[in-house]
Amino acid sequence: GDSVTQMEGPVTLSEEAFLTINCTYTATGYPSLFWYVQYPGEGLQLLLKATKADDKGSNKGFEATYRKETTSFHLEKGSVQVSDSAVYFCALSDRNTDKLIFGTGTRLQVFP
Amino acid sequence: GAVVSQHPSWVICKSGTSVKIECRSLDFQATTMFWYRQFPKQSLMLMATSNEGSKATYEQGVEKDKFLINHASLTLSTLTVTSAHPEDSSFYICSARWGDGYQPQHFGDGTRLSIL
Repeated sequence: GDSVTQMEGPVTLSEEAFLTINCTYTATGYPSLFWYVQYPGEGLQLLLKATKADDKGSNKGFEATYRKETTSFHLEKGSVQVSDSAVYFCALSDRNTDKLIFGTGTRLQVFP
Repeated sequence: GAVVSQHPSWVICKSGTSVKIECRSLDFQATTMFWYRQFPKQSLMLMATSNEGSKATYEQGVEKDKFLINHASLTLSTLTVTSAHPEDSSFYICSARWGDGYQPQHFGDGTRLSIL
């Protein structure tokens, strides 16, 4: 079945550092891909999305490109802030089951 | 846009009582709503999927008599944890979606349920 694999955390960075969180997927069809962010004690917020190959999703300085050839959707940000500290989930929509399949989440900790 | 409100955000109750959690889509009509459970430092576990006006579809291993889901309108779904016990203590999160599976799900802020 479809699946999402993302890098284990925690990822620890200093403020203004460059961020990459890797995400790869396995899917039989052409899913939509998402990044969600979860701040402590809260639900998930949609960060960005891409619906087809080569699409680039971007929001709040974060971006990710739907790479069909490498089945990847890596999250990047050029300069992280302390306020970006959260757990980031990569997810795909499963066309066959109509469900959202999540990766295990990556905790990001940014220190001043 | 795409705001989902979940209420209550935190509830503590005695073992054996029933607890109802509401999930509302405030600025869009949700054709499908989902209920998840999240254990500490883990990903979300899908419990059930519900479409307005029809019975919910439960994931394997989720007791439908224990977790009652009602999706009465395009903007409201409820989850009732019946005869709750300490092992039901968890963080419950709902989400709502308009359209098909290519559309994103929009999540509520979650409900932390503690059963004493």
